[in-house]
Amino acid sequence: GAGVSQSPRYKVAKRGQDVALRCDPISGHVSLFWYQQALGQGPEFLTYFQNEAQLDKSGLPSDRFFAERPEGSVSTLKIQRTQQEDSAVYLCASSLESNTGELFFGEGSRLTVL
Amino acid sequence: AQSVTQLDSQVPVFEEAPVELRCNYSSSVSVYLFWYVQYPNQGLQLLLKYLSGSTLVKGINGFEAEFNKSQTSFHLRKPSVHISDTAEYFCAVTKGSYIPTFGRGTSLIVHP
Repeated sequence: GAGVSQSPRYKVAKRGQDVALRCDPISGHVSLFWYQQALGQGPEFLTYFQNEAQLDKSGLPSDRFFAERPEGSVSTLKIQRTQQEDSAVYLCASSLESNTGELFFGEGSRLTVL
Repeated sequence: AQSVTQLDSQVPVFEEAPVELRCNYSSSVSVYLFWYVQYPNQGLQLLLKYLSGSTLVKGINGFEAEFNKSQTSFHLRKPSVHISDTAEYFCAVTKGSYIPTFGRGTSLIVHP
């Protein structure tokens, strides 16, 4: 498809497990963003890539969160030693290089930590 | 840093009635403004955007918004809503970094 693809759509993890969430952006989109959306809240910024460079990771809540985009296309958000407060929907979005802030979002990965 | 305030967490309205969803932002510099819609179990979809020019912006599905610089507002309006407009609506703002900051969202509930 032509849109942003995220997998898995749903993930249940036991507290302490590591999880990896994948994002496949729109082809040709240079910029890639990760957001965290808690229940009933708006998306909160986590991190931003331009090609393979992680230009801003100021929103990552702790050093248990790690994101990469090694070839400037697919990105992976990894959460180590998950905790219950990590339960949320993780949204990935991509945009063109000449970005004004218009993002194209995937459907999100819903993480539930038990 | 900019912030976005959506004053209403929930707006109930009857079908075919007009609606306004309020958004205020705080920033001392020029910004770009956006409204996104999120249907259940889906990602966010752009409704409309203000980059420059006319302060009245028209978007998809009959929605429009007006940028008011003096009041730092960007309220979303629709003259006649449909059941299918029931969704979560998010206001967002960006400035130089092009990293959008989102409001907490307004749930629009359209009753028959």
